[in-house]
Amino acid sequence: AQSVTQLGSHVSVSEGALVLLRCNYSSSVPPYLFWYVQYPNQGLQLLLKYTTGATLVKGINGFEAEFKKSETSFHLTKPSAHMSDAAEYFCAVSPFTGANSKLTFGKGITLSVRP
Amino acid sequence: GAVVSQHPSWVICKSGTSVKIECRSLDFQATTMFWYRQFPKQSLMLMATSNEGSKATYEQGVEKDKFLINHASLTLSTLTVTSAHPEDSSFYICSAGGFMNTEAFFGQGTRLTVV
Repeated sequence: AQSVTQLGSHVSVSEGALVLLRCNYSSSVPPYLFWYVQYPNQGLQLLLKYTTGATLVKGINGFEAEFKKSETSFHLTKPSAHMSDAAEYFCAVSPFTGANSKLTFGKGITLSVRP
Repeated sequence: GAVVSQHPSWVICKSGTSVKIECRSLDFQATTMFWYRQFPKQSLMLMATSNEGSKATYEQGVEKDKFLINHASLTLSTLTVTSAHPEDSSFYICSAGGFMNTEAFFGQGTRLTVV
């Protein structure tokens, strides 16, 4: 069984400040990990994913995440927040990679960016 | 990139009627499609997995007779909410992937309101 924990429901940062969104997972098999972004009334867009290999993963829009097996974490960061980053962010885990892989999502975190 | 289109984007229907939501892969063949339900400010809950040409696999607790899923072609899956009730009001999102894809791609979602 797999699960994802995203602590807190809302993060607020100033424009230009560091963004840190936390994600911890539980998995009985080596996990595949994902971060998605959702804008209001829209579907999900993949920011980045970890499958195998390098534990620091770079994604779109300046985001990156680091897979830390010892901490069972996959936190999302961005050095400098932009107003357009305000959205809902979901961390997800899957037991294998591929398009037919079931995703288990965390409850999501709302990111607000203050001018 | 891979594009998944959902239609309609929003729909209002009367209690007791049925409503059909379409999910189309526009530029690839989707061997697998997933249907999710999302309540306000909550995560995505997987409802069912459908593979082209076979019956959908429903998650525990999802009424298969109420949420009819058809995946008759490699580019189209439909979700029909039968005898809709106000508690079925939600945001429904599909995702689709094919053999050549490394991940599934999400549609833009459908906001269903049952009055």
